[in-house]
Amino acid sequence: GAVVSQHPSRVICKSGTSVKIECRSLDFQATTMFWYRQFPKQSLMLMATSNEGSKATYEQGVEKDKFLINHASLTLSTLTVTSAHPEDSSFYICSAVPFPGNTIYFGEGSWLTVV
Amino acid sequence: GQNIDQPTEMTATEGAIVQINCTYQTSGFNGLFWYQQHAGEAPTFLSYNVLDGLEEKGRFSSFLSRSKGYSYLLLKELQMKDSASYLCAVQDSNYQLIWGAGTKLIIKP
Repeated sequence: GAVVSQHPSRVICKSGTSVKIECRSLDFQATTMFWYRQFPKQSLMLMATSNEGSKATYEQGVEKDKFLINHASLTLSTLTVTSAHPEDSSFYICSAVPFPGNTIYFGEGSWLTVV
Repeated sequence: GQNIDQPTEMTATEGAIVQINCTYQTSGFNGLFWYQQHAGEAPTFLSYNVLDGLEEKGRFSSFLSRSKGYSYLLLKELQMKDSASYLCAVQDSNYQLIWGAGTKLIIKP
């Protein structure tokens, strides 16, 4: 079964509203979680690295005020897309690394459609 | 810069064998991953190589040569459900994942 769970799997929101995506590690603790986005027919793009108890590290070009990441516990990280626009419509994927460990496990992904 | 190269698309026949190559140039190396991704779904883990050599796991095998910056994923006894994109990813010295663009594998009957 899945060891990393994302919710919701699909969400439609109106332009200008905010939407939150949750990423949970179900049977391990993860000090580090990663958030990616993927546009159709393109590769995964790392958005940010989320560390439990500290601020996320954002990749160049990713707006930290628009994509709010909160890693409140060792099993939960959330990504909030604020003031969403249609161009934010994408597939968002989280991944987590067990501590200790090296293998990276992915969530099921969340489809966001902004209308 | 850091770079991962893999073919964009490959076609193979059901029951046959296919090899998907991946070459990389990265700042340091802490392992190479292969993932399978079906359309519209998140990637699923296939294999992890950190030492040179061949790792076999059922119908799938992965090979690594660190001196050549080269890996391949070998799929045997191909099934229609193996039609997917196969992503090669390398962990650099900071343990960041550098992703290839993926190889779309098309299986024909």
